[in-house]
Order: sequence, then structure tokens, then C-alpha cells
Amino acid sequence: GPKVLQIPSHQIIDMGQMVTLNCDPVSNHLYFYWYKQILGQQMEFLVNFYNGKVMEKSKLFKDQFSVERPDGSYFTLKIQPTALEDSAVYFCASSLGGGYAEQFFGPGTRLTVL
Amino acid sequence: GDSVTQTEGLVTLTEGLPVMLNCTYQTAYSTFLFWYVQHLNEAPKLLLKSSTDNKRTEHQGFHATLHKSSSSFHLQKSSAQLSDSALYYCALRNSGGSNAKLTFGKGTKLSVKS
Repeated sequence: GPKVLQIPSHQIIDMGQMVTLNCDPVSNHLYFYWYKQILGQQMEFLVNFYNGKVMEKSKLFKDQFSVERPDGSYFTLKIQPTALEDSAVYFCASSLGGGYAEQFFGPGTRLTVL
Repeated sequence: GDSVTQTEGLVTLTEGLPVMLNCTYQTAYSTFLFWYVQHLNEAPKLLLKSSTDNKRTEHQGFHATLHKSSSSFHLQKSSAQLSDSALYYCALRNSGGSNAKLTFGKGTKLSVKS
């Protein structure tokens, strides 16, 4: 079936540094999402993105976070600067449509901020 | 806001026994309910979904029925297999202002032993 890829699978960085998480969505999908999962807790919605714009973001999507998908390449989540509480697994998802269209998930990137 | 509550933690079963993973939810809106399954080191994948009250939905041997009267969407299977060992997430999307984001439960880890 359709696959979403995430690069890297693990990332360890020092607090205050910048990090970019990359997502290669399903090729014809138009809607893109990031979710955050802190160890032992549920996955939580961060942001969704369509047509080059953030459509909706949650309160977890701090000012230090940004997303983009330049020229149809990777859909990226950038955190600058990182904080200890950003340590989590970040899941990317994509869907063909908005609304109730099925979201296809990547395997996640485990981010550890030291 | 929306919330999803699942059977806590780890469920361990012997192969051949029935599976039941509980999911209840709270939302002020009409909703779609989903079950996602995540095998080790893989991406979460959609297993079942429903928005129709009291209608059983089935896929890959699993089934669930959305009961709006009790706000439940329990996942069941008549006979567990070793390959069912995975993490199971219940999630909802509502018909309110944002119908794009998924709200997840914490997940239930199912371990099936021979």
C-alpha cells in the first residue's frame, strides 16, 4: 500500500540546536500532518498543511516550530531552538483529501534532546 | 475538547483466545472512529473505521461496532493469532470546526503468546 517515509528514524541533538525532521509523503497526496508522541502518552496533533499553508495548529505547535514543503519535496518540521520537552516521537501523515480522508502514517522519527 | 480512552497498557493473551480492546470517547460533535495498528518498527496503519451507529465493521478478522449511546468502539477478534501482537490505537475525528485532526487514545499493547 501507499507508504510515508520519515528521515531520520532517530536524531539526538543538544538543547538549543536546530533540527529538521523530514517526511516523504505519498506521492499524490495533498494534505500533510505532524503528530507528537511523548513516551507513555498518546499521539497528539501538531499541525496540518495544505497548498503551502498551515491550515490548523494545536497549542503544542510552539513558535519555535515551523513546517514547509518547498517545491513538492520533503514535508519538513523544523524546531529552532530545541528544548528538552521536545523529546518525543514525531509522526508524519498524509492524505489525498481533507476532512475524513484516510491519513497514512510514517514510522516516526524519535527525537532526543539532551 | 475531544478525548479517547483505551484499555490501559499491556494485554497478554494465549493464541486462539478472543481479543477485546476497549475504546470509549468524548466529543460534542458527530464523529468518525478509527482503529490503527502499529507493528514493531512500522508505521501505524488503519485497521477499521466507522461513523454509523450500531453497524459492525470488519477487516482482517477484526471487528468493531460504534455505539453512540455508550460512546464506545471496542475492537474484537474471535481468535488471537501470534501475528496480532502489536500496538493498537483508537482515534476519533469530529465534524466540528476541525475535521482534519485525529485525537488518539494512549494505545494498547497486545501480546499474543503460544
